[in-house]
Amino acid sequence: DGGITQSPKYLFRKEGQNVTLSCEQNLNHDAMYWYRQDPGQGLRLIYYSQIVNDFQKGDIAEGYSVSREKKESFPLTVTSAQKNPTAFYLCATQEWGSNSPLHFGNGTRLTVT
Amino acid sequence: GQQLNQSPQSMFIQEGEDVSMNCTSSSIFNTWLWYKQDPGEGPVLLIALYKAGELTSNGRLTAQFGITRKDSFLNISASIPSDVGIYFCAGFKETSGSRLTFGEGTQLTVNP
Repeated sequence: DGGITQSPKYLFRKEGQNVTLSCEQNLNHDAMYWYRQDPGQGLRLIYYSQIVNDFQKGDIAEGYSVSREKKESFPLTVTSAQKNPTAFYLCATQEWGSNSPLHFGNGTRLTVT
Repeated sequence: GQQLNQSPQSMFIQEGEDVSMNCTSSSIFNTWLWYKQDPGEGPVLLIALYKAGELTSNGRLTAQFGITRKDSFLNISASIPSDVGIYFCAGFKETSGSRLTFGEGTQLTVNP
């Protein structure tokens, strides 16, 4: 979606380093989400935030951290504690207050060697 | 979590053929969503369904919200090469609030 920007598109890091993935939105959506996708698999929820300064763990939060200091931004940090960090990471937004669809960014492919 | 059974996992068809895929669950859903993902890109919303029995079309795509509220299907008519990609079903369960549940995806290959 044009209103959700994930950067960078490709990211390479050495094992043991923390890395932060950026997600910015101009849709004025309240909720933001981070998903992880491994080859040939579906999407797994890492963290989500429904309002500024609040966020909740998803199904696979271990080794990840997030912040939500601004409505427009929801950065994800992949820490050295994440045992298998190489994956495709997707950010999504959603209008709050209804079962409205999630809108996805174009993803960041992280490779850790 | 992923508690949606999506089938088939993959499909190999000839251009011009029709395609059908479905998602089933033991849980009741309030909303069904169908997304398409191209390689290296994020999923794009194709169709959203909000009522049991609802049948909605988007061009050559048609999706239905099952009467039992536990399933949904997506049909693609007269497939073309650009239909290639991964199709995901997703839904909001009656009991899970804003947490979206995803299927594992159907990989579609269209041979010209």
